[in-house]
Amino acid sequence: QSALTQPASMSGSPGQSITISCTGTSSDIGAYNYVSWFQQHPGKVPKLVIYEVNKRPSGLSNRFSGSKSGTTASLTISGLQAEDEADYYCSSYTTFHTVIFGGGTKLTVL
Amino acid sequence: EVQLVESGGGLVQPGESLRLSCAASGFNFITYTINWVRQAPGKGLEWISYVSGSSSAISYADSVKGRFTVSRDNAKNSVYLQMDSLRVEDTAVYYCMRDMGHLQFDPWGQGTLVTVSS
Repeated sequence: QSALTQPASMSGSPGQSITISCTGTSSDIGAYNYVSWFQQHPGKVPKLVIYEVNKRPSGLSNRFSGSKSGTTASLTISGLQAEDEADYYCSSYTTFHTVIFGGGTKLTVL
Repeated sequence: EVQLVESGGGLVQPGESLRLSCAASGFNFITYTINWVRQAPGKGLEWISYVSGSSSAISYADSVKGRFTVSRDNAKNSVYLQMDSLRVEDTAVYYCMRDMGHLQFDPWGQGTLVTVSS
């Protein structure tokens, strides 16, 4: 099964909002509301930022939000800050009882 | 503190085997599914396998099916990943993580590096 499709890179200025897309199929994103997003800073361990499409882990900034429409999920970061510069990965449960990740999006804060 | 610690990584030759361990602490281990995810140098995340709390549900990615075997020992609060017939393309940092439900992967361990090279 191919990876979920994410833009390889995106950029934004401090204070702006950006939305990262994650496109799958009817066998993964389209089948369940089980989409998670992870943030990974260089050399660091990935960190959960969104689960079940739009839920935030306790203590996470409300600048992070998620949504889904059909077979595409999205992560929106509002009020961009320098610390948001990182790689972002989406993931989904699949109808094959497996998990699939996106290829990752490198976010640059200008 | 909820913690997962991987160990067992190292340098092996193609075709050899390696067994990774994931030691958990700070939570009721038996009630959680544990996943393995790897990341090749400079590349993205790739899901490898999961094992449910009772080991009744186990799944593998196609890339490792038939070569890797996941297991757990709830008495030791540990999960294992037996990796056989290793290939150069298996070179990666291997992470284990707790699934709090529906891909709520938290926390992740610090990872252990596996290098497959002749």
